[in-house]
Amino acid sequence: DTGVSQNPRHKITKRGQNVTFRCDPISEHNRLYWYRQTLGQGPEFLTYFQNEAQLEKSRLLSDRFSAERPKGSFSTLEIQRTEQGDSAMYLCASSLEGVGTEAFFGQGTRLTVV
Amino acid sequence: RKEVEQDPGPFNVPEGATVAFNCTYSNSASQSFFWYRQDCRKEPKLLMSVYSSGNEDGRFTAQLNRASQYISLLIRDSKLSDSATYLCVATGGGNKLTFGTGTQLKVEL
Repeated sequence: DTGVSQNPRHKITKRGQNVTFRCDPISEHNRLYWYRQTLGQGPEFLTYFQNEAQLEKSRLLSDRFSAERPKGSFSTLEIQRTEQGDSAMYLCASSLEGVGTEAFFGQGTRLTVV
Repeated sequence: RKEVEQDPGPFNVPEGATVAFNCTYSNSASQSFFWYRQDCRKEPKLLMSVYSSGNEDGRFTAQLNRASQYISLLIRDSKLSDSATYLCVATGGGNKLTFGTGTQLKVEL
């Protein structure tokens, strides 16, 4: 399977714990995006990378969220001191650089904070 | 104001009907536009890109009006399998994808 891969698919954690999600993009894609989606809403932009450089981070994102893409390949998204409001589907997407290029999504990581 | 706005629906239509979804975007610098489809509890998948000249793919037609900052999607001869959420997407700075809330379509017998 050469699509976007996300792990884990599901994560249940207690409030206050740290969690880390991984995304493996399509190998030749240099752009990688993280989105968050809650029920009844469209995907909300969190951050994106071009190669290893983080180009933009949503101002809605608190300092508890951090993302890395150390070698321009896979990426990790860490949430520290999780809160119940962090419960959502976290989606990763990748694309080639350029106007009009399609972004392909992974199946997402569903986070439940209890 | 949201960057991309859509009517959330739901649109309940009989099989065979024609249905149209509209979307507006606020960033006049947006360069690329798309419609994505999302099935329940699945990831979004590209339905079609939207070009200035308008484009058609089978039963689906997309239109872009840059002057009004308006995008539309027309589905003809609706099938039960068209039931899904349709997400309007515009690109912002750096080709970042900005999604609307999505419009839910339910096609019924």
